[in-house]
Amino acid sequence: DQQVKQNSPSLSVQEGRISILNCDYTNSMFDYFLWYKKYPAEGPTFLISISSIKDKNEDGRFTVFLNKSAKHLSLHIVPSQPGDSAVYFCAASPQGGSEKLVFGKGTKLTVNP
Amino acid sequence: DVKVTQSSRYLVKRTGEKVFLECVQDMDHENMFWYRQDPGLGLRLIYFSYDVKMKEKGDIPEGYSVSREKKERFSLILESASTNQTSMYLCASSRGGRAEYEQYFGPGTRLTVT
Repeated sequence: DQQVKQNSPSLSVQEGRISILNCDYTNSMFDYFLWYKKYPAEGPTFLISISSIKDKNEDGRFTVFLNKSAKHLSLHIVPSQPGDSAVYFCAASPQGGSEKLVFGKGTKLTVNP
Repeated sequence: DVKVTQSSRYLVKRTGEKVFLECVQDMDHENMFWYRQDPGLGLRLIYFSYDVKMKEKGDIPEGYSVSREKKERFSLILESASTNQTSMYLCASSRGGRAEYEQYFGPGTRLTVT
């Protein structure tokens, strides 16, 4: 049973426009959420995170929004750049101090020049 | 600069062979992880270690074992490799104590079992 879902396997946007990547989760006990970015032939790298006590966190061009009632989070990239083309993974941490993460399947973002 | 290194980028093994994948981190992290990444399945946790000689099973531990004799090194062992273990294997490490501490990943080992 998949607890973290990224329902869009791929997304294509034009350079300069907004990219919105979505993630849904089923476990209401998740209390921390992270986004990782992965280029081919490299390991994932941390991008941005959000605690369940917040509804928004911003870091430069990247903003993550959390809607707890809908069990939904989204990553906004504005403006999108060709170098943002990568696979983006949503991850969640269960409550209770567990340091293991549950990852979604990933969304491949392509930013066209 | 933080670093997680994996012993091989590419590995080809035969069915039934015993396979060792090595991971070393230089950040003095308490936690280390082994994942596998498969198309359409994302990252799945195989094993997690929170201290030397301590380990926990992840979501897909069957067919794998691990060893952590030193803090900086975490080994993944395939006792008898099978073709369904052909995958990208990723090692990660993080500070201990809080789930919010980000995980740092190595570059991955692409294992092919023939």
